Formats: sequence, structure tokens, C-alpha cells
Amino acid sequence: EIVMTQSPATLSVSPGERVTLSCRASQSVSSYLAWYQQKPGQAPRLLMYGASTRATGIPARFSGSGSGTEFTLTISSLQSEDVAVYYCQQYSHWPPLTFGGGTRVEIK
Amino acid sequence: QVQLVQSGADVKKPGASVKVSCKASGYTFTGYYMHWVRQAPGQGLEWMGWINPGSGDTTYSQNFQGRVTMTRDSSMRTAYMELRSLTSDDTAVYYCARVPGASTWAFDIWGQGTMVTVSS
Repeated sequence: EIVMTQSPATLSVSPGERVTLSCRASQSVSSYLAWYQQKPGQAPRLLMYGASTRATGIPARFSGSGSGTEFTLTISSLQSEDVAVYYCQQYSHWPPLTFGGGTRVEIK
Repeated sequence: QVQLVQSGADVKKPGASVKVSCKASGYTFTGYYMHWVRQAPGQGLEWMGWINPGSGDTTYSQNFQGRVTMTRDSSMRTAYMELRSLTSDDTAVYYCARVPGASTWAFDIWGQGTMVTVSS
């Protein structure tokens, strides 16, 4: 089973600042990585797939990069509506499909 | 629009079973795979398994093997997930989520979630 590790667990950022979230895989997943955003009380929403392709309707301030075992989700300028927990997920080697533990993004 | 609508919250006693439904609309039901993911209170996401609505073929996570059954009724455009022998550890929000397959194996559409509480 591929273990996904996200860091940091929590990030406190001022509005307008750049946010960088990290995700590491225990073995290479190529570019078969997705990012999701989950706001309180809501279902997750797909942000990125293929490590760097934005899903439909996702604002351009969100970008993804990386391949192999190291991945990054960047929010270029944090907005108040971006407060959420962000999860990465690999779909390279499965079953099982596996998620990271999440990074909580808060407004400072 | 494309959406997945799940059944309502449920409360079960330990040892009981629960069956959650997921009704699809706005797309060809048999053209996309359906997965189930759960989230315990305050915790992360855990994949449970998936069903091919076209063929009915299933694959389950080893964590749930023997306790879970995923089915579908294509005429009703509805997928089902039944979990048996419930314990308090199964208290969670259960989500269905669609996977395109051809373009990506990421979950592009999610249901709203069904809260299942296991309590004596």
C-alpha cells in the first residue's frame, strides 16, 4: 500500500499570501495524483488531477506540480473562501486508493 | 446538472447493517465508475471500494473485505453500499464519488455524504 504524507498539518496564512502545501508518496506514483479541497460540513471537491491539471471551474490561483514522490499544491494568493482542509490522493498503484492525512489552511 | 444524491442519515446499533444509496443524475450512469469513501468524525478520507455500474464488477478494500457489498440498479441510476457487523468505529460520513476512468481516476463528483452513527 502506498502511504501518502502531507505537510504541514496546519498552515496559518494572511489573506493575499502565497500558500504551499506538500504531499509525499512512499513510492513513485508518477503523475497519478489528485488534490481535493474540503470545507467544513461539505464533501471534498476535486481541485487537480494528473498532478497539475486543474479540474473544471477551479480558479487559476490554484496550481499543482511534481511527479514521482514529491508534489506541491500552491495557492498564489489566499482568499478567505480557501479556508479548508486539502487532501492529496494517489491513483497509481491500487487497490487501495490512498489519501494523505490532510493539511488545514487557516486565515491568520 | 451532474450530481449524486445520497440517502439520509442513519443510526444503527452495534452488530446491525446499514445500506446507503447514491442516485446519479445528469450523466450516463453506466459510463462512470462509482467509488465509496468514508470519513470518521474529525478524521481523514478512507477508500472502501468501487463498482463498475455497467458490469456490476466490484473491488473492495481489504479493510472491509467480507463486511461490505456494493451493488447497483442501473434502471434506477442508483448505487448502493451495504456494511455489516457495525461497530462504533464505523461511525462516519459515507460518500459516493464518481470516477471518469478514461480521462482520470480521480473523483470528479461527490455525493453530499450520509452520516451513519453506530450507538447502543
